[in-house]
Amino acid sequence: DTGVSQDPRHKITKRGQNVTFRCDPISEHNRLYWYRQTLGQGPEFLTYFQNEAQLEKSRLLSDRFSAERPKGSFSTLEIQRTEQGDSAMYLCASSPNTISNTGELFFGEGSRLTVL
Amino acid sequence: SQQGEEDPQALSIQEGENATMNCSYKTSINNLQWYRQNSGRGLVHLILIRSNEREKHSGRLRVTLDTSKKSSSLLITASRAADTASYFCATDDNTDKLIFGTGTRLQVFP
Repeated sequence: DTGVSQDPRHKITKRGQNVTFRCDPISEHNRLYWYRQTLGQGPEFLTYFQNEAQLEKSRLLSDRFSAERPKGSFSTLEIQRTEQGDSAMYLCASSPNTISNTGELFFGEGSRLTVL
Repeated sequence: SQQGEEDPQALSIQEGENATMNCSYKTSINNLQWYRQNSGRGLVHLILIRSNEREKHSGRLRVTLDTSKKSSSLLITASRAADTASYFCATDDNTDKLIFGTGTRLQVFP
């Protein structure tokens, strides 16, 4: 098991462009989470999936953001018409069950987005 | 949104000293967890304490939880330069997600 992997690790784009991040969770983890982290802050919850179902979305997730987990395995996070305020580290995490049951989240190394 | 605040925001100590970080949160919780993050990397789980527990140990880590004050502390004993990182508390408020605090940046000088 190689852990949670995220791709790309770094992305530099111009304002107005679309970007997509991919997350491959630990196999057989049915829960997958996306967080956003800006410099000097803690991770902020964006959304999460149980298998292919998106169960909750934060108000932070504007209509320019969309996340999918089509087959209940990998997930993508797309940001359309990027803005400079979207510059952040996007973190993916997975867990085998509900947090109340199993506790910890397993995080990937993150995808850093810089919007020029 | 972030559930809690951590104190101090930054802490600098010498190797061998103990480091104490505090976390305050706002709502009732099932459990509280501490994570570590090296610069530019992902988060790594350190320890979990459940709401019915008051203290927990793991190696050089000691965590306390006071649910009446909605606060927790993380103590790292005999710190090492390799402990240099940011440390975050995170709470599970029974909504099946973790809400993270603002973090403490720890610098341990050799």
